[in-house]
Amino acid sequence: GQSLEQPSEVTAVEGAIVQINCTYQTSGFYGLSWYQQHDGGAPTFLSYNALDGLEETGRFSSFLSRSDSYGYLLLQELQMKDSASYFCAVTGASGGSYIPTFGRGTSLIVHP
Amino acid sequence: DTGVSQDPRHKITKRGQNVTFRCDPISEHNRLYWYRQTLGQGPEFLTYFQNEAQLEKSRLLSDRFSAERPKGSFSTLEIQRTEQGDSAMYLCASSSPTDREAFFGQGTRLTVV
Repeated sequence: GQSLEQPSEVTAVEGAIVQINCTYQTSGFYGLSWYQQHDGGAPTFLSYNALDGLEETGRFSSFLSRSDSYGYLLLQELQMKDSASYFCAVTGASGGSYIPTFGRGTSLIVHP
Repeated sequence: DTGVSQDPRHKITKRGQNVTFRCDPISEHNRLYWYRQTLGQGPEFLTYFQNEAQLEKSRLLSDRFSAERPKGSFSTLEIQRTEQGDSAMYLCASSSPTDREAFFGQGTRLTVV
């Protein structure tokens, strides 16, 4: 089976940098993804790591360490619109199927 | 293409009734997923299709739940004899083999009264 752990809530001020950590357990690891979900909206893709290291996409970066079963999402220059839930999702092999399994999510609250 | 679409967006039903939801994936996507999400939780995997074949089903999916994807295009999720515990957002997502991401629809919010 697969399981993920991430903090339930993180707060920060506008313009700051915040890091959301994720640890996972899985068999047949393929990749770790991050999704953003605003209240009432659909999850939208932010980033994906299949190999160790840092992936940068604008203000968002994601890091993976496969040996530690650990990753994080780094959000820089925080804006009020970044207030949302952030989910890490691990894609593992299951009989040849590639199924993302999601964590419980981290609620990010950005204060002015 | 306008992305993944789900219908209806909202459904209120009485306990014991049957409900059916529809998902239209992005047209070239052969992978289709159903998830269930309750307030404050992440999406929980329900079932997975590759083309028309249902390859994976979660243990969460009791025998009251059934899903189909005829001809590998749209998919339906049916819940029979609904219970209050079935109240949730039902999300559909699709992807292609070359995608790193799953594309989600806006979901169907089910309320069982």
